[in-house]
Amino acid sequence: QKEVEQNSGPLSVPEGAIASLNCTYSDRGSQSFFWYRQYSGKSPELIMSIYSNGDKEDGRFTAQLNKASQYVSLLIRDSQPSDSATYLCAVNMMYSGGGADGLTFGKGTHLIIQP
Amino acid sequence: EAGVAQSPRYKIIEKRQSVAFWCNPISGHATLYWYQQILGQGPKLLIQFQNNGVVDDSQLPKDRFSAERLKGVDSTLKIQPAKLEDSAVYLCASSPRVGTEAFFGQGTRLTVV
Repeated sequence: QKEVEQNSGPLSVPEGAIASLNCTYSDRGSQSFFWYRQYSGKSPELIMSIYSNGDKEDGRFTAQLNKASQYVSLLIRDSQPSDSATYLCAVNMMYSGGGADGLTFGKGTHLIIQP
Repeated sequence: EAGVAQSPRYKIIEKRQSVAFWCNPISGHATLYWYQQILGQGPKLLIQFQNNGVVDDSQLPKDRFSAERLKGVDSTLKIQPAKLEDSAVYLCASSPRVGTEAFFGQGTRLTVV
């Protein structure tokens, strides 16, 4: 049974600071990793995808992947009150035959940016 | 580009009744998913389609849930009979290729009373 673990929070960060969100996964065969943002009452919205070890930056967001440690993180620089939401980590695994399973999600981390 | 469309947005039914949800994925996306999200939890995969074939339905409660994707485009998810614990948001998502990012529809909030 694949598992994706996240600290549920809430994680409280002052406006303008860096928010750091962490995620660990159990399946060493996982190959695709995603961060989604979900506002209360809304559906998940894709923020970042990362497929190889290292860092990937997109605007104020940086995703970091360490497959050896089975760890993926999301950094949000210059945090804004509008970043307050639940952040979901998701992973999936590619099969040798070319298929892939569906995304397995963590429970999410509730982030609060304090003005 | 139009997103994933779902209907209805909200549904309230009594236990033991049946309900159906509809999803139209992003044009050209071969992979379609149905997820169940209970309040305070992450989405849980119910079923994955590749074109009109089922790839994974291992977490679908098949005694009461069914899903189909006719002609590899639209999909319906049905619950019959519903139980109180089925109260959740049902999310449809689609992906352009296997193993890539999924894009979600607005979801259907189901309340079973």
